[in-house]
Amino acid sequence: EPEVTQTPSHQVTQMGQEVILRCVPISNHLYFYWYRQILGQKVEFLVSFYNNEISEKSEIFDDQFSVERPDGSNFTLKIRSTKLEDSAMYFCASSGSGDIEKLFFGSGTQLSVL
Amino acid sequence: RKEVEQDPGPFNVPEGATVAFNCTYSNSASQSFFWYRQDCRKEPKLLMSVYSSGNEDGRFTAQLNRASQYISLLIRDSKLSDSATYLCVVTRTGGTSYGKLTFGQGTILTVHP
Repeated sequence: EPEVTQTPSHQVTQMGQEVILRCVPISNHLYFYWYRQILGQKVEFLVSFYNNEISEKSEIFDDQFSVERPDGSNFTLKIRSTKLEDSAMYFCASSGSGDIEKLFFGSGTQLSVL
Repeated sequence: RKEVEQDPGPFNVPEGATVAFNCTYSNSASQSFFWYRQDCRKEPKLLMSVYSSGNEDGRFTAQLNRASQYISLLIRDSKLSDSATYLCVVTRTGGTSYGKLTFGQGTILTVHP
């Protein structure tokens, strides 16, 4: 079964540093997303991306966050200057044009900001 | 009021039991409804979509009541492997608002021998 791949599985960084989280969505999917889950809290939407541009973003997705599809296979989330409160599990997801609402999630990157 | 509210549980049931989870949502414009399952520190996985007519997948039955803005999930003949957190999810479709899932806090289920 095709799957969404995320790297790294764990990322530890110092406050103020930049981090890039990487994702390889399912190959024939056109819609891409980032979600996050702070420990003990619910999964929250960050951003959706289609046709090389952001479709929608949440209040969480401020100027410190950016997304990019640098080539035909990767989808990245960059946090420019990390804060302690950015510590969370970040999930990438993708969906296909046949069933846009059916999201497939990657296994996540656990980001720890010290 | 939270957009999606669930009883957090935990529900502790013996193998073979029937257990029901409830969920309410606040936005009447919500159009699509799902139950996801999340194992500890893992990604959410789609369990099933929820329709007004009700739908069943093996031991799992989901129901939607749009008038009451209420969603339910029934698990029959619980297995140890059903132990997980069950997430109620709603979404609105239209314009650029696709794939923007709103998750509930989740209901924890533990099935014991």
